[in-house]
Amino acid sequence: EPEVTQTPSHQVTQMGQEVILRCVPISNHLYFYWYRQILGQKVEFLVSFYNNEISEKSEIFDDQFSVERPDGSNFTLKIRSTKLEDSAMYFCASSESRAGGIGELFFGEGSRLTVL
Amino acid sequence: GDSVTQMEGPVTLSEEAFLTINCTYTATGYPSLFWYVQYPGEGLQLLLKATKADDKGSNKGFEATYRKETTSFHLEKGSVQVSDSAVYFCALGGSARQLTFGSGTQLTVLP
Repeated sequence: EPEVTQTPSHQVTQMGQEVILRCVPISNHLYFYWYRQILGQKVEFLVSFYNNEISEKSEIFDDQFSVERPDGSNFTLKIRSTKLEDSAMYFCASSESRAGGIGELFFGEGSRLTVL
Repeated sequence: GDSVTQMEGPVTLSEEAFLTINCTYTATGYPSLFWYVQYPGEGLQLLLKATKADDKGSNKGFEATYRKETTSFHLEKGSVQVSDSAVYFCALGGSARQLTFGSGTQLTVLP
């Protein structure tokens, strides 16, 4: 069964360092998403991506964040200068159709980011 | 904006007990409603969904009915198993073109 894969599963970094989280969405999917979950809190939407551009982003997704689909298979989330409050589990998701319609989001297992 | 309020956890039940996890929502228009499940060490998986009022989603013995009059989508299972131990998330797909999640409910089923 096709699945969304994420790397790394866990990354520890120093505050101020750049981090890139990688995702390989399901191959025939067109919509890509990043969500995050700070420990003990809600799963929060960060950004959606379609047709090689951001289609929606939340207020969390500030200038420190960027997304890219560099080679047609990977979908990356970059945090330019990490802060302590960026420590969270980051989930990548993909779907054939737009979330909120009848489309289902398929999630990866998550990348845990710990900022020291 | 859209929001989901989910029953606080954690919930601990004995095997074969009846499960209800409450979920209510606030949204404009006609959202789709979802339950996702996260087993230990795994990602979020869609458990069931309902796309319009009075629809019942069901999967693996779990059910939830889309109640527009009470803006609810409560998750139920008649007889839980140890393997159902997981975190359950209610989610809404509404006017904002992404999912809005509840806070998650940790379920532990004891043998």
